[in-house]
Amino acid sequence: QVNLLQSGAALVKPGASVKLSCKASGYTFTDYYIHWVKQSHGKSLEWIGYINPNSDYTNYNEKFKNKATLTVDKSTNTAYMDLSRLTSEDSATYYCSRNYYFDYWGQGVMVTVSS
Amino acid sequence: DVLLTQTPPTLSATIGQSVSISCRSSQSLLDGDGDTYLNWFLQRPGQSPQLLIYSVSNLESGVPNRFSGSGSETDFTLKISGVEAEDLGVYYCMQATHAPLTFGSGTKLEIK
Repeated sequence: QVNLLQSGAALVKPGASVKLSCKASGYTFTDYYIHWVKQSHGKSLEWIGYINPNSDYTNYNEKFKNKATLTVDKSTNTAYMDLSRLTSEDSATYYCSRNYYFDYWGQGVMVTVSS
Repeated sequence: DVLLTQTPPTLSATIGQSVSISCRSSQSLLDGDGDTYLNWFLQRPGQSPQLLIYSVSNLESGVPNRFSGSGSETDFTLKISGVEAEDLGVYYCMQATHAPLTFGSGTKLEIK
């Protein structure tokens, strides 16, 4: 069965970076895009961008272009998102999701930015 | 960016009641390829969102058929025909026709 397993919660200091992971299983990793979505506490969802694991092509929401960097490691079927120069505004739960229809989602990872 | 406006923001229903949620788009979501990329999700408390409906009216595999979607261009509706206790949570519409992809602000369904 399809599963997207995300890395554990992160507590990071302001100005630092964090790398989140999303390990895919149960399907051919290169067949589907991986999207990343941000959900601030108690709020709605924001699309960050997607990566095509087959070509490494990325497409970002302009709002996150200088914040997030998406990569994949095909050898381990894992997608990554680097978040840089973190501020309190980046404290949120981040999800990875598969496919154009967002048919499967990871369990989410909470990132807390605090000194 | 495309703005998706969901109404009502909260909804209270009894078990067995039928309810509808509206999602209105600031632009037509009809894509040049003829498809309309409007999806519906349910986020239960403490869980990740779950796909219910894709491309306006297509029921995702495994989703109960009490859920249905309809609409076109800028006006879309999710209907639950006979609410069950497990349906509580926040419902979101999402459009993938125009970049950046955007989500509605959500409709919280409470069970009376």
